[in-house]
Amino acid sequence: GQNIDQPTEMTATEGAIVQINCTYQTSGFNGLFWYQQHAGEAPTFLSYNVLDGLEEKGRFSSFLSRSKGYSYLLLKELQMKDSASYLCAVRDSNYQLIWGAGTKLIIKP
Amino acid sequence: ETGVTQTPRHLVMGMTNKKSLKCEQHLGHNAMYWYKQSAKKPLELMFVYSLEERVENNSVPSRFSPECPNSSHLFLHLHTLQPEDSALYLCASSHQSEFSGANVLTFGAGSRLTVL
Repeated sequence: GQNIDQPTEMTATEGAIVQINCTYQTSGFNGLFWYQQHAGEAPTFLSYNVLDGLEEKGRFSSFLSRSKGYSYLLLKELQMKDSASYLCAVRDSNYQLIWGAGTKLIIKP
Repeated sequence: ETGVTQTPRHLVMGMTNKKSLKCEQHLGHNAMYWYKQSAKKPLELMFVYSLEERVENNSVPSRFSPECPNSSHLFLHLHTLQPEDSALYLCASSHQSEFSGANVLTFGAGSRLTVL
């Protein structure tokens, strides 16, 4: 079967750096997505990786290793507003999106 | 505001009621989706419409009935639901093209459904 694994919950301190990991086993690979979802709000697109390596967007970076079936989302200079759930999703060979259950990130002052 | 609007935001219904969820997108996208989001579970794709034609129906019970009258509007009609159907129902849209690309989904804020 197809599976996406990510930690259920993480806690970090304001101003620090946190890395949220995502491992996947899917039938083929056509890209990996990260979305951010604040409580009671819509998930919003953060990043898309289809080739190996690091994609940087301001304070957020996303890394992909296709050979290891692994990605991480790196958040730097954490702010209280970064408290949210982070969803990892992989598009398989049929262009279907396979979703992880999400990682709830709690930022403490 | 994401450009995808869902109403109502909250809905409480009994198992014998009939209600509908509405989704409207103002992004000019050509595909619309219904997802179910339950606590601590992955998003479950329910239905996909591409160019107003249903292209996906992931073994969803018949008590959920989608309708897509045009490329900007999507409905989910609900009848004789069960308590386990209580969840957040998310609508999303995207621009699908013949090229792979990212095909990023834009979500609405969801309709929180409680079935008593």
